Amino acid sequence: GAVVSQHPSWVICKSGTSVKIECRSLDFQATTMFWYRQFPKQSLMLMATSNEGSKATYEQGVEKDKFLINHASLTLSTLTVTSAHPEDSSFYICSARVGHPVYEQYFGPGTRLTVT
Amino acid sequence: AQSVTQLDSHVSVSEGTPVLLRCNYSSSYSPSLFWYVQHPNKGLQLLLKYTSAATLVKGINGFEAEFKKSETSFHLTKPSAHMSDAAEYFCVVSFPLFGGYNKLIFGAGTRLAVHP
Repeated sequence: GAVVSQHPSWVICKSGTSVKIECRSLDFQATTMFWYRQFPKQSLMLMATSNEGSKATYEQGVEKDKFLINHASLTLSTLTVTSAHPEDSSFYICSARVGHPVYEQYFGPGTRLTVT
Repeated sequence: AQSVTQLDSHVSVSEGTPVLLRCNYSSSYSPSLFWYVQHPNKGLQLLLKYTSAATLVKGINGFEAEFKKSETSFHLTKPSAHMSDAAEYFCVVSFPLFGGYNKLIFGAGTRLAVHP
């Protein structure tokens, strides 16, 4: 099946620094990738939709200048958390869409970000 | 408006007994429905999906779900629970957006505990 990887799986950074998270589709090309955020014991909340070669579409309430998304190729999307603060600590999960006409999303294993 | 309601936040069963995780949805369109499982600190794995074909959908690991339009339900069942089934389960509805894209709406999740 379709495999999505994320790197790193776990990162700790200091407040005020930036962190980049990579999402890769390993055995397929994905024109659309999604970034989700999950707080402890809560469901996934869509942050943004990333389309290859174009600007990401952010959900309401998500700061586009803080969460920079780049989808430079059909197999790679990156999420950069800029000027991180402790409240940005969370589990970030990406997914890639495949299939037609009904799409499925395959999810990466997630990245746990802790900001100290 | 599209929404998903998982009726139980926690379900506890004994190993070898049946599992029932309840999900109701609201959708203005004919929905596609999914069940995903998430083990601790892991990404999401697709268990099964409904895409307007057979109303009884069989998935991996012995799980199945029945789409009941009259009840707007998509409950997940398994005849006999295994210790490895302990995880968080998400019911998800997919609906189409303009331009051929679709969007996933996640339920709040049901934590399944399996006792020996």
